Amino acid sequence: GAGVSQSPRYKVAKRGQDVALRCDPISGHVSLFWYQQALGQGPEFLTYFQNEAQLDKSGLPSDRFFAERPEGSVSTLKIQRTQQEDSAVYLCASSLYRTGSGAQYFGPGTRLLVL
Amino acid sequence: DAKTTQPPSMDCAEGRAANLPCNHSTISGNEYVYWYRQIHSQGPQYIIHGLKNNETNEMASLIITEDRKSSTLILPHATLRDTAVYYCIVRSIQGAQKLVFGQGTRLTINP
Repeated sequence: GAGVSQSPRYKVAKRGQDVALRCDPISGHVSLFWYQQALGQGPEFLTYFQNEAQLDKSGLPSDRFFAERPEGSVSTLKIQRTQQEDSAVYLCASSLYRTGSGAQYFGPGTRLLVL
Repeated sequence: DAKTTQPPSMDCAEGRAANLPCNHSTISGNEYVYWYRQIHSQGPQYIIHGLKNNETNEMASLIITEDRKSSTLILPHATLRDTAVYYCIVRSIQGAQKLVFGQGTRLTINP
């Protein structure tokens, strides 16, 4: 079946621009996660949704970062007034269950470059 | 969640078994061991996970020591396509669902 998809795959933004990154999780998956991966580093958690509810946003680096999942399926990560330090790969992952030991399945990521 | 320690890099010859170690000496009873890998320019890929028994699937085997303080991921017949960064992650099945990635092991399969 179809995996997690993300769009766009690449985004170049001028400093100060707003960007929106989309994630389409695996159909029926309850949990959705966003991670940020800087060059040469492992992914770092940003935020977590269970259906449409955002249960954990402890990893969002500033109030310029906002995520939503209004209908419990597609999610959008928005970054306002982008800064050069926002340049990274943004990864989305989904998981079938709310809790337990289930695996997370990742999309290919969106590579954001802020000039 | 407990922290993990992995060697930064390893090499393995194509066709041989690749054995990737991970230390998680502070693991608690409700924490699982997960392995993911990330091939260059792709998202992380789930490999396998376990609690205390050894596990095997079509990709790999996971051997967890009896005291659960360390584990080994085994790729039985490594191919060039197995070249990737391998992450060992410990996560509780309760509480926060996020994965905490370390630096991982960069595994290079040599022809």
